[in-house]
Amino acid sequence: NAGVTQTPKFQVLKTGQSMTLQCAQDMNHNSMYWYRQDPGMGLRLIYYSASEGTTDKGEVPNGYNVSRLNKREFSLRLESAAPSQTSVYFCASSEGGSYQPQHFGDGTRLSIL
Amino acid sequence: RKEVEQDPGPFNVPEGATVAFNCTYSNSASQSFFWYRQDCRKEPKLLMSVYSSGNEDGRFTAQLNRASQYISLLIRDSKLSDSATYLCVPSNAGNNRKLIWGLGTSLAVNP
Repeated sequence: NAGVTQTPKFQVLKTGQSMTLQCAQDMNHNSMYWYRQDPGMGLRLIYYSASEGTTDKGEVPNGYNVSRLNKREFSLRLESAAPSQTSVYFCASSEGGSYQPQHFGDGTRLSIL
Repeated sequence: RKEVEQDPGPFNVPEGATVAFNCTYSNSASQSFFWYRQDCRKEPKLLMSVYSSGNEDGRFTAQLNRASQYISLLIRDSKLSDSATYLCVPSNAGNNRKLIWGLGTSLAVNP
């Protein structure tokens, strides 16, 4: 039971480099989410996609872009990485709508030097 | 007032103890409520959804009081493996696809 799969699990970048974090879910969920979690802080929503073909900003979208490639896949791109983007990134999915919990991938640990 | 508030703990309890976590949320229009657990540096995992009538899943019981905007989680017969951070998560009142994440309550179950 794969659920939500994130790649890569670990990545080290230099300031200014770009990269794309990949996320795929096999639960036929409509909604997908990208969060970041920093030490001593709760999850913060970066972007989400309520359904295929739509994306919306969350609390902390600056410095990121997203693509909902199809119903299964939702990618997060850092165009020019900054040390402040060092974090653990979680992708989640849900059926969407009220009363639907979110299910998480096991995260990408990203360090930017 | 914070959107969701929990006692951060840590709660240190012996194996076999019963422990209760409480949570308050600020927006009465929140519709969905969940308890998640998060192990150190791991992803949050859904523990249970919380329904108005209260619900139980094995050793875990959740209660919701909408009038008081209060949610609780009771863990009976604590196991070492219950050691984690427990997150009370209401939905965003303006957009129920979004959830509100706080810092949770840390639990350590000791042998």
